[in-house]
This record gives sequence, structure tokens and C-alpha cells, in this order.
Amino acid sequence: GDSVTQMEGPVTLSEEAFLTINCTYTATGYPSLFWYVQYPGEGLQLLLKATKADDKGSNKGFEATYRKETTSFHLEKGSVQVSDSAVYFCALSEWGQTGANNLFFGTGTRLTVIP
Amino acid sequence: DSGVTQTPKHLITATGQRVTLRCSPRSGDLSVYWYQQSLDQGLQFLIQYYNGEERAKGNILERFSAQQFPDLHSELNLSSLELGDSALYFCASSVRPTGGQETQYFGPGTRLLVL
Repeated sequence: GDSVTQMEGPVTLSEEAFLTINCTYTATGYPSLFWYVQYPGEGLQLLLKATKADDKGSNKGFEATYRKETTSFHLEKGSVQVSDSAVYFCALSEWGQTGANNLFFGTGTRLTVIP
Repeated sequence: DSGVTQTPKHLITATGQRVTLRCSPRSGDLSVYWYQQSLDQGLQFLIQYYNGEERAKGNILERFSAQQFPDLHSELNLSSLELGDSALYFCASSVRPTGGQETQYFGPGTRLLVL
């Protein structure tokens, strides 16, 4: 079945450091891949997405490239800020036989950025 | 603000009780999804509705049920509550399920505490 394996946290970085959060997936077909972010006390917000191989999703300085050959979708940011402190979730969605397209989430990675 | 609203924001109840969580999707969205976020299980898909009909079921317990009404709002009913049902329950919506590429927009969640 479909699944997402995400780098375990927590991750603590100094401001302006480089961020990588690893994400690999298992899927039977050709999923769409997503990164969602959850700020303290809030719901999930879509950060970026990619719907086919070699697509690069980007938003707010974050980037992730859909790598079919390595089944990966690693999240990167060149220079993190304190305001990036949050929990990041990698997720996939695949068209199912019933027409369902629910999201499968990784376990989440908590990022703390210190000044 | 994603445009998805959920009520109530917090709910405290006792074991054995029944509660109803409500979700209003974004304007124009026909599909509603329910997810449970707990410390031990992470983020799990519960159930999906599309235009009033059940589309897919995930790890939803038999004690739980949901429906989507003609005005497209949805309710998640949790009965015979147990301590382990304490979690954050998210609703998400999308326009329609199409090949898994649709972005799901999440509400702020309802935090349920069962005492």
C-alpha cells in the first residue's frame, strides 16, 4: 500500500542555516506529492506540491523536487528563519480504484529555528 | 485562512459519551475529508465524502460515522467515546477528486479530550 517515510525529528537549526528534511514514499502508481506545514496551535497549510516526476514545487523559499527514480521528495530551504519553526509533513495522494484520493502522511518533523 | 471552518474548536467530554464535529468546506468544494491526528497514530485518514456520497473509508472505527449534507457541510459523529479517542480531528476539502492531484485545504481542527 501507499506510505510515506519521513526524517525523524526534532530538528534544531540556527537562523540562516540550510534545511533539508528527507521524505521517501511507496506508491503503486504515480502519486502527487505534498508538503504541509503545521504552525503551533494551528491546522495544516499546504506549503508546496508536485504532481509528476521531475516537477519542482516551491513556496516561501522552500523547494522540493519529485524524484521518481529515488522515490523521494526532500524539502529544502537555503536560509531558515525563526518564523519557519513548525511541524512539517510530507504526504502523497494517489488516485484509487474507488475514485478516492485521500492523503497519506509521514510522521511529521518538528523544526525549531533559534536566533 | 483556508476557507474551511470547523466547530467546535475544543471539546471536552467523558468516556461513553457521543459528540458531533462539524465542518463547512470552502465555497465551491464538493469533496470533504476527515482526518485524525493523535500522538501515537499520527495523521490518519478517516473518511471521504463527495457531493453527499461516501467515497472512501480509511481507518475509521465502527463507533464513528459521518455524513455530508445537501449544503455540503459535513458532520463526524463519535460515539461510545474512549480515552484513546482524544485527538485533533481535521476536516479538509477539495473541489473534486481528480487523479489525486487536487489540493486539500484543511480546517483549523477540533481538539477532542475524553476524560
